Amino acid sequence: KNEVEQSPQNLTAQEGEFITINCSYSVGISALHWLQQHPGGGIVSLFMLSSGKKKHGRLIATINIQEKHSSLHITASHPRDSAVYICAVRGKTSYDKVIFGPGTSLSVIP
Amino acid sequence: GAGVSQTPSNKVTEKGKYVELRCDPISGHTALYWYRQSLGQGPEFLIYFQGTGAADDSGLPNDRFFAVRPEGSVSTLKIQRTERGDSAVYLCASSLIQGGEQYFGPGTRLTVT
Repeated sequence: KNEVEQSPQNLTAQEGEFITINCSYSVGISALHWLQQHPGGGIVSLFMLSSGKKKHGRLIATINIQEKHSSLHITASHPRDSAVYICAVRGKTSYDKVIFGPGTSLSVIP
Repeated sequence: GAGVSQTPSNKVTEKGKYVELRCDPISGHTALYWYRQSLGQGPEFLIYFQGTGAADDSGLPNDRFFAVRPEGSVSTLKIQRTERGDSAVYLCASSLIQGGEQYFGPGTRLTVT
Protein backbone atom coordinates (compact mmCIF):
# COMPACT_ATOMS: atom_id res chain seq x y z
CA LYS A 1 0.00 0.00 0.00
CA ASN A 2 1.40 3.39 -0.98
CA GLU A 3 1.98 5.85 1.82
CA VAL A 4 0.16 8.59 -0.10
CA GLU A 5 -2.86 7.83 -2.24
CA GLN A 6 -5.02 10.07 -4.39
CA SER A 7 -8.43 9.76 -5.94
CA PRO A 8 -9.53 9.92 -8.58
CA GLN A 9 -6.57 9.00 -10.74
CA ASN A 10 -8.11 10.76 -13.74
CA LEU A 11 -10.89 13.32 -13.84
CA THR A 12 -12.70 14.99 -16.71
CA ALA A 13 -14.99 17.90 -15.93
CA GLN A 14 -17.04 20.45 -17.83
CA GLU A 15 -16.01 24.06 -17.54
CA GLY A 16 -17.67 25.64 -14.51
CA GLU A 17 -17.96 22.45 -12.49
CA PHE A 18 -16.87 22.18 -8.87
CA ILE A 19 -13.99 19.73 -8.58
CA THR A 20 -12.70 17.76 -5.62
CA ILE A 21 -9.48 15.78 -5.51
CA ASN A 22 -8.78 13.63 -2.48
CA CYS A 23 -5.58 12.62 -0.76
CA SER A 24 -5.13 10.10 2.02
CA TYR A 25 -1.90 9.17 3.74
CA SER A 26 -0.78 6.57 6.22
CA VAL A 27 2.19 8.22 7.92
CA GLY A 28 2.44 10.90 10.57
CA ILE A 29 3.09 14.23 8.92
CA SER A 30 4.23 17.72 9.76
CA ALA A 31 2.83 19.27 6.58
CA LEU A 32 1.00 18.44 3.39
CA HIS A 33 1.54 20.06 0.02
CA TRP A 34 -0.71 20.37 -2.98
CA LEU A 35 1.23 20.84 -6.20
CA GLN A 36 0.23 21.51 -9.79
CA GLN A 37 2.09 20.19 -12.79
CA HIS A 38 1.18 21.21 -16.34
CA PRO A 39 2.10 18.95 -19.29
CA GLY A 40 5.77 19.44 -20.06
CA GLY A 41 6.01 22.01 -17.32
CA GLY A 42 7.53 22.27 -13.93
CA ILE A 43 5.79 21.88 -10.62
CA VAL A 44 4.12 24.78 -8.87
CA SER A 45 3.32 24.69 -5.19
CA LEU A 46 -0.32 25.58 -4.57
CA PHE A 47 -0.61 25.08 -0.83
CA MET A 48 1.32 23.90 2.17
CA LEU A 49 -0.87 23.20 5.15
CA SER A 50 -0.69 21.42 8.47
CA SER A 51 -4.20 22.03 9.75
CA GLY A 52 -7.55 23.46 8.81
CA LYS A 53 -8.18 25.11 5.52
CA LYS A 54 -6.51 27.48 3.07
CA LYS A 55 -8.00 29.41 0.15
CA HIS A 56 -6.32 31.03 -2.82
CA GLY A 57 -8.57 32.38 -5.53
CA ARG A 58 -10.73 29.53 -6.80
CA LEU A 59 -8.67 26.92 -4.99
CA ILE A 60 -9.42 25.61 -1.52
CA ALA A 61 -7.41 23.03 0.40
CA THR A 62 -8.52 21.32 3.58
CA ILE A 63 -6.85 18.82 5.84
CA ASN A 64 -8.12 16.55 8.61
CA ILE A 65 -5.11 15.40 10.60
CA GLN A 66 -7.06 12.87 12.66
CA GLU A 67 -8.44 11.17 9.57
CA LYS A 68 -5.19 11.59 7.61
CA HIS A 69 -7.05 13.07 4.70
CA SER A 70 -6.87 16.19 2.60
CA SER A 71 -8.96 17.58 -0.23
CA LEU A 72 -8.27 20.09 -2.96
CA HIS A 73 -11.32 21.86 -4.34
CA ILE A 74 -11.52 23.94 -7.49
CA THR A 75 -14.57 26.16 -7.88
CA ALA A 76 -15.83 27.36 -11.27
CA SER A 77 -13.31 25.18 -13.09
CA HIS A 78 -11.71 26.45 -16.28
CA PRO A 79 -9.78 24.69 -19.07
CA ARG A 80 -6.59 26.35 -17.86
CA ASP A 81 -6.97 24.32 -14.65
CA SER A 82 -6.17 21.20 -16.69
CA ALA A 83 -3.05 19.73 -15.13
CA VAL A 84 -1.83 16.99 -12.85
CA TYR A 85 -2.46 17.74 -9.19
CA ILE A 86 -0.08 16.08 -6.77
CA CYS A 87 -0.46 15.62 -3.04
CA ALA A 88 2.79 15.35 -1.10
CA VAL A 89 3.46 14.92 2.60
CA ARG A 90 6.39 15.78 4.80
CA GLY A 91 7.24 13.56 7.74
CA LYS A 92 7.19 14.54 11.38
CA THR A 93 10.78 15.77 11.51
CA SER A 94 11.35 18.81 9.34
CA TYR A 95 14.19 17.35 7.37
CA ASP A 96 12.24 14.28 6.33
CA LYS A 97 11.98 13.73 2.63
CA VAL A 98 8.72 14.59 0.96
CA ILE A 99 6.60 11.63 -0.13
CA PHE A 100 4.56 12.26 -3.25
CA GLY A 101 1.23 10.80 -4.26
CA PRO A 102 0.73 9.45 -7.77
CA GLY A 103 -1.11 12.55 -8.96
CA THR A 104 -4.59 13.20 -10.32
CA SER A 105 -4.82 14.14 -13.96
CA LEU A 106 -7.54 16.76 -14.45
CA SER A 107 -8.96 17.75 -17.81
CA VAL A 108 -11.50 20.56 -17.95
CA ILE A 109 -13.47 20.68 -21.17
CA PRO A 110 -14.89 23.96 -22.50
CA GLY B 1 12.76 37.40 -8.37
CA ALA B 2 14.42 34.47 -10.06
CA GLY B 3 13.08 31.06 -9.26
CA VAL B 4 14.84 27.73 -9.23
CA SER B 5 16.56 27.07 -12.52
CA GLN B 6 17.86 23.81 -13.95
CA THR B 7 20.15 23.10 -16.84
CA PRO B 8 20.02 21.59 -19.32
CA SER B 9 16.28 21.46 -19.90
CA ASN B 10 16.73 18.35 -22.03
CA LYS B 11 19.59 15.89 -22.22
CA VAL B 12 19.88 12.93 -24.54
CA THR B 13 22.77 10.60 -23.90
CA GLU B 14 23.87 7.15 -24.89
CA LYS B 15 23.80 4.22 -22.52
CA GLY B 16 27.01 4.05 -20.52
CA LYS B 17 27.81 7.76 -20.68
CA TYR B 18 28.27 10.14 -17.76
CA VAL B 19 25.90 13.09 -17.27
CA GLU B 20 25.72 16.08 -14.97
CA LEU B 21 22.53 17.94 -14.18
CA ARG B 22 22.68 21.36 -12.59
CA CYS B 23 20.33 23.12 -10.19
CA ASP B 24 20.46 26.80 -9.22
CA PRO B 25 18.26 27.32 -6.19
CA ILE B 26 16.61 30.54 -5.15
CA SER B 27 19.23 32.81 -3.63
CA GLY B 28 19.44 32.38 0.12
CA HIS B 29 17.60 29.07 0.23
CA THR B 30 19.51 26.72 2.48
CA ALA B 31 17.67 23.51 1.67
CA LEU B 32 17.87 21.83 -1.72
CA TYR B 33 16.13 18.68 -2.90
CA TRP B 34 16.54 16.43 -5.91
CA TYR B 35 13.63 14.30 -7.15
CA ARG B 36 13.13 11.97 -10.09
CA GLN B 37 9.84 11.62 -11.94
CA SER B 38 9.26 8.76 -14.32
CA LEU B 39 6.54 8.97 -16.94
CA GLY B 40 3.07 8.80 -15.44
CA GLN B 41 4.29 8.70 -11.86
CA GLY B 42 4.71 11.14 -9.03
CA PRO B 43 8.18 12.41 -8.15
CA GLU B 44 10.43 10.29 -5.97
CA PHE B 45 12.89 11.70 -3.50
CA LEU B 46 16.58 11.28 -4.29
CA ILE B 47 18.64 13.46 -1.97
CA TYR B 48 18.34 16.46 0.31
CA PHE B 49 21.00 19.05 1.13
CA GLN B 50 21.04 21.37 4.09
CA GLY B 51 23.77 23.84 3.26
CA THR B 52 26.73 22.01 1.77
CA GLY B 53 26.05 18.64 3.31
CA ALA B 54 23.77 15.87 2.15
CA ALA B 55 21.39 15.47 5.08
CA ASP B 56 19.55 12.54 3.53
CA ASP B 57 20.67 10.60 0.46
CA SER B 58 18.52 7.56 1.08
CA GLY B 59 16.65 8.00 -2.19
CA LEU B 60 19.64 7.63 -4.47
CA PRO B 61 18.96 4.36 -6.30
CA ASN B 62 22.56 3.10 -6.43
CA ASP B 63 26.17 4.20 -6.38
CA ARG B 64 26.03 5.42 -9.97
CA PHE B 65 24.20 8.46 -8.64
CA PHE B 66 25.99 11.18 -6.73
CA ALA B 67 25.21 14.80 -5.93
CA VAL B 68 27.24 17.70 -4.60
CA ARG B 69 26.60 21.21 -3.35
CA PRO B 70 30.11 22.45 -2.57
CA GLU B 71 29.29 26.07 -1.70
CA GLY B 72 25.80 25.60 -0.36
CA SER B 73 24.15 27.08 -3.42
CA VAL B 74 24.35 25.41 -6.84
CA SER B 75 24.00 21.64 -6.84
CA THR B 76 25.04 19.09 -9.44
CA LEU B 77 23.51 15.64 -9.78
CA LYS B 78 25.95 13.25 -11.41
CA ILE B 79 25.04 9.95 -13.02
CA GLN B 80 27.73 7.52 -14.10
CA ARG B 81 27.35 4.70 -16.63
CA THR B 82 23.83 5.76 -17.50
CA GLU B 83 21.20 3.12 -18.15
CA ARG B 84 17.96 3.34 -20.10
CA GLY B 85 16.07 3.06 -16.83
CA ASP B 86 17.58 6.36 -15.72
CA SER B 87 15.43 8.15 -18.29
CA ALA B 88 13.15 10.48 -16.37
CA VAL B 89 12.58 14.10 -15.47
CA TYR B 90 14.94 15.18 -12.72
CA LEU B 91 13.44 17.88 -10.55
CA CYS B 92 15.19 20.19 -8.15
CA ALA B 93 13.50 22.19 -5.40
CA SER B 94 14.73 24.60 -2.77
CA SER B 95 13.31 26.03 0.41
CA LEU B 96 14.38 28.90 2.61
CA ILE B 97 14.68 26.75 5.70
CA GLN B 98 14.34 23.11 6.67
CA GLY B 99 10.69 22.18 6.49
CA GLY B 100 9.74 25.28 4.55
CA GLU B 101 7.69 25.50 1.40
CA GLN B 102 9.53 24.04 -1.55
CA TYR B 103 9.90 25.86 -4.84
CA PHE B 104 10.44 23.62 -7.83
CA GLY B 105 12.56 24.10 -10.89
CA PRO B 106 11.33 23.24 -14.40
CA GLY B 107 13.19 19.95 -14.41
CA THR B 108 15.71 18.32 -16.71
CA ARG B 109 14.36 15.66 -19.02
CA LEU B 110 17.00 12.96 -19.35
CA THR B 111 16.72 10.40 -22.12
CA VAL B 112 19.17 7.53 -22.26
CA THR B 113 19.22 5.79 -25.63
